[in-house]
Amino acid sequence: NAGVTQTPKFRVLKTGQSMTLLCAQDMNHEYMYWYRQDPGMGLRLIHYSVGEGTTAKGEVPDGYNVSRLKKQNFLLGLESAAPSQTSVYFCASSYPGPPAGHYGYTFGSGTRLTVV
Amino acid sequence: GENVEQHPSTLSVQEGDSAVIKCTYSDSASNYFPWYKQELGKGPQLIIDIRSNVGEKKDQRIAVTLNKTAKHFSLHITETQPEDSAVYFCAASIRGWGSQGNLIFGKGTKLSVKP
Repeated sequence: NAGVTQTPKFRVLKTGQSMTLLCAQDMNHEYMYWYRQDPGMGLRLIHYSVGEGTTAKGEVPDGYNVSRLKKQNFLLGLESAAPSQTSVYFCASSYPGPPAGHYGYTFGSGTRLTVV
Repeated sequence: GENVEQHPSTLSVQEGDSAVIKCTYSDSASNYFPWYKQELGKGPQLIIDIRSNVGEKKDQRIAVTLNKTAKHFSLHITETQPEDSAVYFCAASIRGWGSQGNLIFGKGTKLSVKP
């Protein structure tokens, strides 16, 4: 059971380049999330999805797009990377409630992105 | 919307001492309060959580208390060990059957346990 897997683990982009971060979960979770983590800022929600084919904006969505074509995958795209998007990106998944009884998020190990 | 404040931002204790991290939340409808531990280079990991119908929950050396009236909750770690050194995040959300609000996280507390 791999849990939540993020690829790639590290990436350096030049300003204006595009890239896609992939998140895959094998726990049959309905909900998936993308967070960014910056020093002193905690974890801030970028976008989330409550099911296959659905997405919604979080706290800091500008400059990012997402897609959830398959239940197990959640993609985060940067169309034109900016230095302000230098951050560590975490994907998470969760199950909404009973009967599984587990409300917590399961996080991936993160993608460290540097935009130069 | 919900806002979660976490204090202190850094905490240094001697091995064997206790550590306490406090969080306050703003939305009285929040009913689920998890705590996450993040070790260097890893993703956050759930260590304990509490729901609003419970005032205290313990799991070995860690415990969480909740005061709904004051809208604050705390993480207590007793007999701290060097492996407890990490960043700890509190969070709050509204949870119900078949639905859940998004977790709102505090900004984190970096705990250092000195041998």
